[in-house]
Amino acid sequence: AQSVTQLGSHVSVSEGALVLLRCNYSSSVPPYLFWYVQYPNQGLQLLLKYTTGATLVKGINGFEAEFKKSETSFHLTKPSAHMSDAAEYFCAVSDPESGQNFVFGPGTRLSVLP
Amino acid sequence: EPEVTQTPSHQVTQMGQEVILRCVPISNHLYFYWYRQILGQKVEFLVSFYNNEISEKSEIFDDQFSVERPDGSNFTLKIRSTKLEDSAMYFCASSEPPLAGYNEQFFGPGTRLTVL
Repeated sequence: AQSVTQLGSHVSVSEGALVLLRCNYSSSVPPYLFWYVQYPNQGLQLLLKYTTGATLVKGINGFEAEFKKSETSFHLTKPSAHMSDAAEYFCAVSDPESGQNFVFGPGTRLSVLP
Repeated sequence: EPEVTQTPSHQVTQMGQEVILRCVPISNHLYFYWYRQILGQKVEFLVSFYNNEISEKSEIFDDQFSVERPDGSNFTLKIRSTKLEDSAMYFCASSEPPLAGYNEQFFGPGTRLTVL
């Protein structure tokens, strides 16, 4: 069975500082990996995804993530935080064989301090 | 840009009542999903639906829940007799058929269900 862990339920950074949100997964086969963002009182928006190919993927709003198979990780980064980045971030995995339901991590709330 | 829509945005109901949450998936999508997010917790998969039948469901999706595609556009989640613990945000998602195992799921804005 697949599982996703996100280290740190709450991360605070200063505006302009590096954002690093951690995601590790457990899966019998390399899964497809996703990061979603949820702004207050809104739905889930896809930030970026990894399926195959280049392990460093770029997403919207300046975010990127790197798939590291040896570490079973897919950490999300952004070089310079902006106040508008404050939100809940969810890492998710999908079984490439079935391609169906997602397994989400518990989420990390990002706060950006002025 | 096509998007998944959900109605209502907020539903308040009394315990024991039936509720129907509605979703309009993206028009050319064939796979449909429901997820649940209890306040402050992670998003949990409930059920996936394809070709007019459930293709996969989680242990959360018990006999109290049912899904239906009553017409060519709507996809509904029914909770027969709501319990307090059903209070959550319910997200609908849809996707095209998986290509090489990958399907990008597009999520709706959610319906917040409050059971009193």
